[in-house]
Amino acid sequence: GENVEQHPSTLSVQEGDSAVIKCTYSDSASNYFPWYKQELGKRPQLIIDIRSNVGEKKDQRIAVTLNKTAKHFSLHITETQPEDSAVYFCAAGNSNYQLIWGAGTKLIIKP
Amino acid sequence: NAGVTQTPKFQVLKTGQSMTLQCAQDMNHNSMYWYRQDPGMGLRLIYYSASEGTTDKGEVPNGYNVSRLNKREFSLRLESAAPSQTSVYFCASSTSALIYEQYFGPGTRLTVT
Repeated sequence: GENVEQHPSTLSVQEGDSAVIKCTYSDSASNYFPWYKQELGKRPQLIIDIRSNVGEKKDQRIAVTLNKTAKHFSLHITETQPEDSAVYFCAAGNSNYQLIWGAGTKLIIKP
Repeated sequence: NAGVTQTPKFQVLKTGQSMTLQCAQDMNHNSMYWYRQDPGMGLRLIYYSASEGTTDKGEVPNGYNVSRLNKREFSLRLESAAPSQTSVYFCASSTSALIYEQYFGPGTRLTVT
């Protein structure tokens, strides 16, 4: 079946450094790729998304890149801050307009 | 503008008991979703409603039923709770099924003993 693989499961970076999280999807018809941030005990919140007609999208310190040929997309966070600590989920929108989710990456920002 | 709301926030059930989780949105969205989230796993879709009057199974529908009561409300029912249904349940909504951006409620933490 369709699936989305997300790596790494845990990422620890020094404050101020960059963080990169990668996802691979299986459904070649997927055309929408969001990233959600979930703080402990809170709801997932959309932080950035990209559609298949775009290769890269940036919003201040965060960016998402998409490689449709290789079927993978990545989240880049620059100049990390303590408030970036959270679990990040990628997802892929399939041809049934459902989101298939990755398992999540716990990002730890070390002071 | 409350967004997506869910009740209750916490619930403890005994095996075999039934309950209904309530979800409502005030954003005039057409599509609504129910997910479960287990530790170390992503969100798994239980059921969704692309528009008022329609419901469809997601990835893990067994043991659950849903009702799209009107455009605002989408409820999830557990007829005979099992320990395997211990999880955090999130409701979400989107403008339409064609517009993927989903907005989540605060979640319901359910424990089945």
